[in-house]
Amino acid sequence: QPVLTQPPSASASLGASVTLTCTLSSGYSNYKVDWYQQRPGKGPRFVMRVGTGGIVGSKGDGIPDRFSVLGSGLNRYLTIKNIQEEDESDYHCGADHGSGSNFFVVFGGGTKLTVL
Amino acid sequence: QVQLVESGGGLVKPGGSLRLSCAASGFTFSDYYMSWIRQAPGKGLEWVSYISSSSSYTNYADSVKGRFTISRDNAKNSLYLQMNSLRAEDTAVYYCAREQVGFDYWGQGTLVTVSS
Repeated sequence: QPVLTQPPSASASLGASVTLTCTLSSGYSNYKVDWYQQRPGKGPRFVMRVGTGGIVGSKGDGIPDRFSVLGSGLNRYLTIKNIQEEDESDYHCGADHGSGSNFFVVFGGGTKLTVL
Repeated sequence: QVQLVESGGGLVKPGGSLRLSCAASGFTFSDYYMSWIRQAPGKGLEWVSYISSSSSYTNYADSVKGRFTISRDNAKNSLYLQMNSLRAEDTAVYYCAREQVGFDYWGQGTLVTVSS
């Protein structure tokens, strides 16, 4: 099964840009990854899905244009431009695997984004 | 608008049982796969279980297999998680989530604490 790896923390200054990375384990370079934002004390919120061709489908409700994704090799990236205070959150990536009674989902450990 | 509202969490002793519910509204519940996902205090997300739209398929994380049972009642727009033989390591906020392209909607979560 795939393993997703995320750095535990990242930081960026107000108004700057930051790119968060989710790395798939070897052999899973064709997998799509979902990004989720979790603000402090809140439940997760779907951001968007990314494959090697970029975004798959649509962004989640209310996700601003400042958020974009790219995929390359085993890496799936979430870039946030013109960072705002409300972007300070934990960002999780997830990937599903299998189908029917073998379907399951794995998540990375999450990256805590601090806005300076 | 899509709403998912979990209930049924609380404090339970090790070895005890609890049944979580998730009330869905704002969409045709019977059209969607649903999952339970949990988050231990200060930790990342862990997928727990999923059920297909007509209950034909279910699957569980290895950590809960044989102890938890997922079910749904499409007539009542409700998702359930029966949790038996609870352990301290099951302590977490439990979220229900709708599966579309990724988990596109989440509830606010319900806290389960397993402690003597």
